[in-house]
Amino acid sequence: QVRVVQSGAEVKKPGSSVKVSCKASGGTFRNYAVSWVRQAPGQGLEWIGGIIPLLGTANSAEEFHGRLTITADESTTTVYMELSSLSSKDTAVYYCARGVRGEGPLYYLDLWGQGTLVTVSS
Amino acid sequence: EIQMTQSPSTLSASVGDRVTITCRASASIGPWLAWYQQKPGKAPKLLIFKASSLQSGVPSRFSGSGSGTEFTLTISSLQPDDFATYYCQQYNTYWRFGQGTKVEIK
Repeated sequence: QVRVVQSGAEVKKPGSSVKVSCKASGGTFRNYAVSWVRQAPGQGLEWIGGIIPLLGTANSAEEFHGRLTITADESTTTVYMELSSLSSKDTAVYYCARGVRGEGPLYYLDLWGQGTLVTVSS
Repeated sequence: EIQMTQSPSTLSASVGDRVTITCRASASIGPWLAWYQQKPGKAPKLLIFKASSLQSGVPSRFSGSGSGTEFTLTISSLQPDDFATYYCQQYNTYWRFGQGTKVEIK
């Protein structure tokens, strides 16, 4: 049974970058997409970007253009999310989630990682 | 950019109650809507996809309906494990979540 496992909590300085990993434990992301969703303290869910690992094609929400990079390893087992130019507003729990294409134009998220807390503080 | 609006923001209910949460899209999204449940400190869990399809393993007391711009999530008989926050998400054009509905104990 596949599980989605993320890397551990990070504490970063303003202006620096963070890289979070997301691994399909017991399988791969070969036939799926992977999305990244974040949740600031006490707030709702915000989609920030995603990738189709088999194709290597990634996209991101407009407000993250230029500072969000999502990549996947060749085995399609692990996906990485790197966010640069961090500020205190980026303090949040970052989730990765497996996307299922189904019949629609895009995909819904059926399996989620446990979340990675990223704290940005001087 | 399609906006998703949920109502109510908070809902107080008792065990056994029938509960309905509404999600409205600012433009038509067809049936491409999912519902998630999130408990404090935990990752969201998929309940419903394609507006009304029940995810495997989700109890049948959960149901979804709607198409276009208006959708509902119904819990037919609220159970103690159902007190949580619920989010709708459209996946027609990019991905956007509603602001969430917290279901709390009355």
